Amino acid sequence: GQQVMQIPQYQHVQEGEDFTTYCNSSTTLSNIQWYKQRPGGHPVFLIQLVKSGEVKKQKRLTFQFGEAKKNSSLHITATQTTDVGTYFCASDKVIFGPGTSLSVIP
Amino acid sequence: DAGITQSPRHKVTETGTPVTLRCHQTENHRYMYWYRQDPGHGLRLIHYSYGVKDTDKGEVSDGYSVSRSKTEDFLLTLESATSSQTSVYFCAISESDRAQPQHFGDGTRLSIL
Repeated sequence: GQQVMQIPQYQHVQEGEDFTTYCNSSTTLSNIQWYKQRPGGHPVFLIQLVKSGEVKKQKRLTFQFGEAKKNSSLHITATQTTDVGTYFCASDKVIFGPGTSLSVIP
Repeated sequence: DAGITQSPRHKVTETGTPVTLRCHQTENHRYMYWYRQDPGHGLRLIHYSYGVKDTDKGEVSDGYSVSRSKTEDFLLTLESATSSQTSVYFCAISESDRAQPQHFGDGTRLSIL
């Protein structure tokens, strides 16, 4: 069956540094979604990517969908303490990656 | 936030007892999902529903059953709870199909002793 992997599992950054998490699927995707979960909270939908090579931005967050539609990345520029949480990607078959937990050191 | 209510929010029970978790939505969305979240595993799909009385299994369905008698309610039942089912359970909804963005409830923390 379809597998979705994410790296890294954990990332600790100094406030102001950049952060990137990568998501890889074993199969070609029709779309990919990204979610953020704050500690103690529930996952919150961030964005959906559909087109090959698509790039979308939300303020300091940049999302990319690979040309082959099998991988994606989330990049945060100049992290802030409000970025703390776990970032999940999810495939079109409702398979979630294991997530990347981001810690931001003030 | 989407109108999704999970009940109970916390539950402690003993091995072998039946447990039912409820998810209630006010969005009239067609799809509803039950996930469990465990450290190191992310979110794993247990069952989902694509309409009243229409359900299907997810990747970790063993030991769980579901029912959806009304659009707004999706129930998850552990017929005979085991300690391996200790987890945080999330309900989610999406509007029209599985590939659409999902909105999650606040979760139920279930401990089975």
